[in-house]
Amino acid sequence: GAGVSQSPSNKVTEKGKDVELRCDPISGHTALYWYRQSLGQGLEFLIYFQGNSAPDKSGLPSDRFSAERTGGSVSTLTIQRTQQEDSAVYLCASSLSGASNYGYTFGSGTRLTVV
Amino acid sequence: SQKIEQNSEALNIQEGKTATLTCNYTNYSPAYLQWYRQDPGRGPVFLLLIRENEKEKRKERLKVTFDTTLKQSLFHITASQPADSATYLCALSYSGGGADGLTFGKGTHLIIQP
Repeated sequence: GAGVSQSPSNKVTEKGKDVELRCDPISGHTALYWYRQSLGQGLEFLIYFQGNSAPDKSGLPSDRFSAERTGGSVSTLTIQRTQQEDSAVYLCASSLSGASNYGYTFGSGTRLTVV
Repeated sequence: SQKIEQNSEALNIQEGKTATLTCNYTNYSPAYLQWYRQDPGRGPVFLLLIRENEKEKRKERLKVTFDTTLKQSLFHITASQPADSATYLCALSYSGGGADGLTFGKGTHLIIQP
């Protein structure tokens, strides 16, 4: 596609429910990243995929968070048993490769509110 | 631990003047340093990348400098316009690869007043 697409754009969920966030990167971009941005805070790196593989999952905040990528394309970030502290904007980005000499293209994010 | 510092206070600049934003980092210099623009409710947009062996990079009204001795990058917008008002983020990768992602500063909010 022309840009990085994220869905849903907004999600309100009850504490304890599971949520699934979707990211559709730019076609041909092998690298995909998930970040979290809380109000007034910087971007917090969560996970990186090169193709379908995530070499390091240590950036995920807890074991309630998981992510996968299939077909070298779409990625989903799943949060189980959501907590209020999970409320944030979840941003997905893709780049041509994992090397840092390429800029990232970000989606508009999913605003998650846990009530 | 690695740290990126950007001026957290909003920067107010008169239209037509040059806006200069600062990004300071600790520890060793990254291979690349990037600047992004973020508008409210939107994801960051990539603007410029500068390599550690480059002193300066330009793109239209934008200019970025990289001083590895001072561990600092400066981002300049010349002939500033109200449409340039946004939050500007500095980002760098220490590994040079994707595994640790880019580390972002918290950004500086720039306001260009007509």
